[in-house]
Amino acid sequence: EAGVVQSPRYKIIEKKQPVAFWCNPISGHNTLYWYLQNLGQGPELLIRYENEEAVDDSQLPKDRFSAERLKGVDSTLKIQPAELGDSAVYLCASSLGGTAAEAFFGQGTRLTVV
Amino acid sequence: GQSLEQPSEVTAVEGAIVQINCTYQTSGFYGLSWYQQHDGGAPTFLSYNALDGLEETGRFSSFLSRSDSYGYLLLQELQMKDSASYFCAPSGGKLIFGSGTRLLVRP
Repeated sequence: EAGVVQSPRYKIIEKKQPVAFWCNPISGHNTLYWYLQNLGQGPELLIRYENEEAVDDSQLPKDRFSAERLKGVDSTLKIQPAELGDSAVYLCASSLGGTAAEAFFGQGTRLTVV
Repeated sequence: GQSLEQPSEVTAVEGAIVQINCTYQTSGFYGLSWYQQHDGGAPTFLSYNALDGLEETGRFSSFLSRSDSYGYLLLQELQMKDSASYFCAPSGGKLIFGSGTRLLVRP
């Protein structure tokens, strides 16, 4: 069974440009998370979906970040415009249900904003 | 509010036993998960405690005390490949991570 798939793996963009990340969760997983991880830090939750509904987006900087999960499966995370401080690894994870006992992570997208 | 406390770094010798403690404060607590992350890799699930007590999975064990908002991860027979960052993550719908504990296993 395929795990959580993210693309692209790496992205380099100039500041003020837009960027989008894509995530395909494990089949049947209702819960999907987007995290941001800086070097030496733990993953920081950006947004959590239960099916197609964003149930927790309190940490998402909504002035420049947006996310969607169409049909409760794949999800995209967008930044527009990107800033230098957005350079980080963006991780997507999925789990079966709301208790989040075990989440499976994708390999992440390493974003560099220059 | 929510808070997590773990030691930032732990160093141990190959073959030894190490315990990584975690204290947490969170709302809507269901259980405590532990994740391992090697440099450049993604976090991978190690264990989950929903009830008080010890859960054993091979060389790794995890303990939870809900009344104390405390848990620990116990790694036995340490191997070089265990050098990684370890995160406790209380789950209550959302899965929150702290800064983690960086474990360095020396020969």
